[in-house]
Amino acid sequence: SQQGEEDPQALSIQEGENATMNCSYKTSINNLQWYRQNSGRGLVHLILIRSNEREKHSGRLRVTLDTSKKSSSLLITASRAADTASYFCATDVGTGGFKTIFGAGTRLFVKA
Amino acid sequence: DVKVTQSSRYLVKRTGEKVFLECVQDMDHENMFWYRQDPGLGLRLIYFSYDVKMKEKGDIPEGYSVSREKKERFSLILESASTNQTSMYLCATLGGPGELFFGEGSRLTVL
Repeated sequence: SQQGEEDPQALSIQEGENATMNCSYKTSINNLQWYRQNSGRGLVHLILIRSNEREKHSGRLRVTLDTSKKSSSLLITASRAADTASYFCATDVGTGGFKTIFGAGTRLFVKA
Repeated sequence: DVKVTQSSRYLVKRTGEKVFLECVQDMDHENMFWYRQDPGLGLRLIYFSYDVKMKEKGDIPEGYSVSREKKERFSLILESASTNQTSMYLCATLGGPGELFFGEGSRLTVL
């Protein structure tokens, strides 16, 4: 099975609401990343949190990491219709990105 | 900005055909990757390359080969395409620890 598993698989919210996506993983990691993918396009790197960090912010994004529970969450505040996309967590278990393992993703739909 | 260009966005091939998927990057990154993406399975690593002419198998290399003759170009080759290779193929480069830059993807349909 996959290293990273996102929850929920799909999420539908109204514009202006907050969206929270969770990721669980199985093994020790060097860092955890979140990516975004618009329909039919490539993935875009959003944010990276290292294993010794607990929380990180970037604009409307807030990522937390709990290594004791092997879980992470991505919070998007004040969501917009343009945030509609799939969001993936990815874990680095080795060096050089050779062992970057992706989850199956959460599909977020933000209704205008 | 890093640019990773995949030459073909959409391809339709027949079973048994040889397929080339090309990826070019403009940022002099050493590490390049080929993933395939299927619904419900996330991204799975096919092959990666950490230098010119160097390649390593990923998690699902069967049925694929790769070529890296120049630093900026990493090609994925399907020697004899099969229907179970219908998928979205994504090329990526590693810009820094844990930061992958992806191309727009190549959606391959094998009939």
